[in-house]
Amino acid sequence: EIVLTQSPGTLSLSPGERATLSCRASQSVSSSYLAWYQQKPGQAPRLLIYGASSRATGIPDRFSGSGSGTDFTLTISRLEPEDFAVYYCQQYGTSPLYSFGQGTKLEIK
Amino acid sequence: EVQLVQSGAEVKKPGESLKISCKGSGYSFTSYWIGWVRQMPGKGLEWVGIIYPGDSDTRYSPSFQGQVTISADKSISTAYLQWSSLKASDTAMYYCARRCGGNPSFDYWGQGTLVTVSS
Repeated sequence: EIVLTQSPGTLSLSPGERATLSCRASQSVSSSYLAWYQQKPGQAPRLLIYGASSRATGIPDRFSGSGSGTDFTLTISRLEPEDFAVYYCQQYGTSPLYSFGQGTKLEIK
Repeated sequence: EVQLVQSGAEVKKPGESLKISCKGSGYSFTSYWIGWVRQMPGKGLEWVGIIYPGDSDTRYSPSFQGQVTISADKSISTAYLQWSSLKASDTAMYYCARRCGGNPSFDYWGQGTLVTVSS
């Protein structure tokens, strides 16, 4: 079973700053099968990044994903007020077919 | 426009049965997998299972296998998640989501169905 561990648990930054969120897998994950989601309070998750580095439709280019193997990163280059939310990484694998990280809360400093 | 519209909030007692729904529109419902995701109050996302409405091929997370049943009625473009005997620990928001055509992420999500189980 692949376990995804996200760090930090909470990240406190100011608008305009750069955010770097980490997702570490317990076993190697194909880059094609790593995604990132954003969830705001009271809303469903929204797909940001798929295939580790491809932005989903309509996602601003300040969001970028990178990484391979067991270490993946979501970077937000310059934080906008609407970016403060919880972020989850997700992998697709064998068993379980899907799993999510526990989330990183990005809060306003 | 692709949409997934879920059924409304439910309040049930322990031991009762429940079936919640997710209706797809704006795309070929039978050509995309539909997944279910649980979010317990104040907690993260957990994958429950997934179904291919075209042939009803279904996969479950080991954590949910035997606890829930996923089904689909392609004639009305609707997927379902059901319980035969609810527990208080089933209290959560449940989301359905469409798996992307070209990669295994979930590109469209329903608005969520809140299930509350309380005596």
